[in-house]
Formats: sequence, structure tokens, C-alpha cells
Amino acid sequence: GAGVSQSPSNKVTEKGKDVELRCDPISGHTALYWYRQSLGQGLEFLIYFQGNSAPDKSGLPSDRFSAERTGGSVSTLTIQRTQQEDSAVYLCASSTGVSPAYEQYFGPGTRLTVT
Amino acid sequence: DAKTTQPPSMDCAEGRAANLPCNHSTISGNEYVYWYRQIHSQGPQYIIHGLKNNETNEMASLIITEDRKSSTLILPHATLRDTAVYYCIVLHDYKLSFGAGTTVTVRA
Repeated sequence: GAGVSQSPSNKVTEKGKDVELRCDPISGHTALYWYRQSLGQGLEFLIYFQGNSAPDKSGLPSDRFSAERTGGSVSTLTIQRTQQEDSAVYLCASSTGVSPAYEQYFGPGTRLTVT
Repeated sequence: DAKTTQPPSMDCAEGRAANLPCNHSTISGNEYVYWYRQIHSQGPQYIIHGLKNNETNEMASLIITEDRKSSTLILPHATLRDTAVYYCIVLHDYKLSFGAGTTVTVRA
């Protein structure tokens, strides 16, 4: 079946611009997660959604980062006024439930480069 | 989450079984053992997970010791496509994080 999809696969933007990253989870998965991965920081949790609500936003690094999920499906991660330190691979994952018993399936990621 | 220790690298011959060890001596009773892998420039791929019992799926087998302080991921017949970084994770909630992992190189 179809896995998690993300778009765009690559995004180059100028410092100060806003960007939107999209995630389409596996159909029927109620939980959706955003992570970012960079060479120096490893895998970093950002936010998770259960349905359309986001009970845990603790990993968002600043108020320039926001995310929403509509219809219990597609999610968008928005970064405003991008900075060079935002350059990373942004990964989305989804699962059928929220507990360590449920495995998360990742998308291919969006590589963001801020120049 | 409990810390895990993996060898930094290992080689494996194509067609042979690859046995990847992981130590997690501080694991708690409610923490799961997870394995993911990441092929260069791709998203992480789920392999297998378990709590106490050994597990097997179409990709691999997971052997967890009785005291749960260590585990072994077994890829039964390694192929060149199995060359990747393999991450062993101990998880008590939903926030995955990867350590350095084991770089597995499968050689023809």
C-alpha cells in the first residue's frame, strides 16, 4: 500500500522567507509526527498530532515553527522567517496509535536548505 | 529512554545472516526495543520491535535476552540492498531518537 509521502522533496529558500512542508500519512493512521534530522543533532522530535489536535508541541524550536493537520489526514509544517540553522531534513511519520507499542512509518523527508 | 550501545560498524557477506547486537542494560519494564534502518539520503525504515518476546517478521528477527539487557537483530539472508545504518532504540513513549547506530556494509 501507499506509504507516507512528503512534498517537496527538496526546498531551497532565502533567509527570511516562509516555507510550507506537506505530509500525507498512511491512510487510516490517526497519529502523525514531525521530526527533523541534521548532521549535528541526530533525529529531533518536533510535534505530534492525534487526529487534528496536537497534544505535544514541546519539540518545536521556536514560535517561528507551527503545524496543523486538517481532516485527520494531511499535515503542514510552516516555518516563518527561515534562518540558516533551520536547514535540515524534515521527516514526517505516522502510526495507528500513540504508544510505544505502535511502530511509526516515515516518509522520505523534505531537505530544506536556507541560503 | 534507556541508552543503547551498538558497534559502530560491521561487514556482512551477501547471502549470509547478519547479526546486529545492541546493549540496553538500563532498560525499564515498560520500554520497547525498536530497530530502524536508514539507507543514505532516505527516510528511516521501520524493521521490527518487541517488548519481552522474540519477534519475527518478513524483514528480520529480534532476539531479546531474558533479562532484557541486550538484543540481537537478525537479517536472515543479507543482500546488497541491506547496506544501511541500523539503529537500536529503547522507547517508553512516542519520541524516537537515534544514536550513532551500526553502519552495516554487505559485500558481494
